[in-house]
Amino acid sequence: AQKITQTQPGMFVQEKEAVTLDCTYDTSDQSYGLFWYKQPSSGEMIFLIYQGSYDEQNATEGRYSLNFQKARKSANLVISASQLGDSAMYFCAMRGVDSGGGADGLTFGKGTHLIIQP
Amino acid sequence: NAGVTQTPKFQVLKTGQSMTLQCAQDMNHEYMSWYRQDPGMGLRLIHYSVGAGITDQGEVPNGYNVSRSTTEDFPLRLLSAAPSQTSVYFCASSYVAGGNNEQFFGPGTRLTVL
Repeated sequence: AQKITQTQPGMFVQEKEAVTLDCTYDTSDQSYGLFWYKQPSSGEMIFLIYQGSYDEQNATEGRYSLNFQKARKSANLVISASQLGDSAMYFCAMRGVDSGGGADGLTFGKGTHLIIQP
Repeated sequence: NAGVTQTPKFQVLKTGQSMTLQCAQDMNHEYMSWYRQDPGMGLRLIHYSVGAGITDQGEVPNGYNVSRSTTEDFPLRLLSAAPSQTSVYFCASSYVAGGNNEQFFGPGTRLTVL
């Protein structure tokens, strides 16, 4: 079974500061993917960034980067130069492979509520 | 390209009623899934499908049925609604193959069971 742990229920950060959201995972799969999603107060799920288990480089997408430490089973999201619009829930998720070798469903953490203060 | 669409956006049911949440995608994705989100929780997988005619259970399947007769549609049926099924339901789709198989989410359906 897969498990995602996000240990920060809430965070307050000053605007323009960098933010690190923690995520650790547990899986017995050799091949898996790690995702971060943003959920603003409007409720939609917005994909931010992806890291494959075999990727040697940390993923980056604009102001988002994923600090992937495979041996520690951690996949922290780093947001550089935070903005007021970054205030939202952030979910770390993992996708493994099912018994047939195809992609499995996502397992989500409980999320971190990030509030950016002016 | 509408992406993933869900209907209805909101629904109120009485205990014991049945209903179907609709989900459709126009991206020709093989993989479709249903999740529920409860307060203070991440999303939990209910059922998923890797192609037309193929469905399987996720983490919390009890009380729900699904079928996949076409690539585009993946309805979720509540057979006899219970207050414990009050939740926000998300449908998602993606390609099956490995790599960055990002799941695209619909806007969600907020269901209240009285």
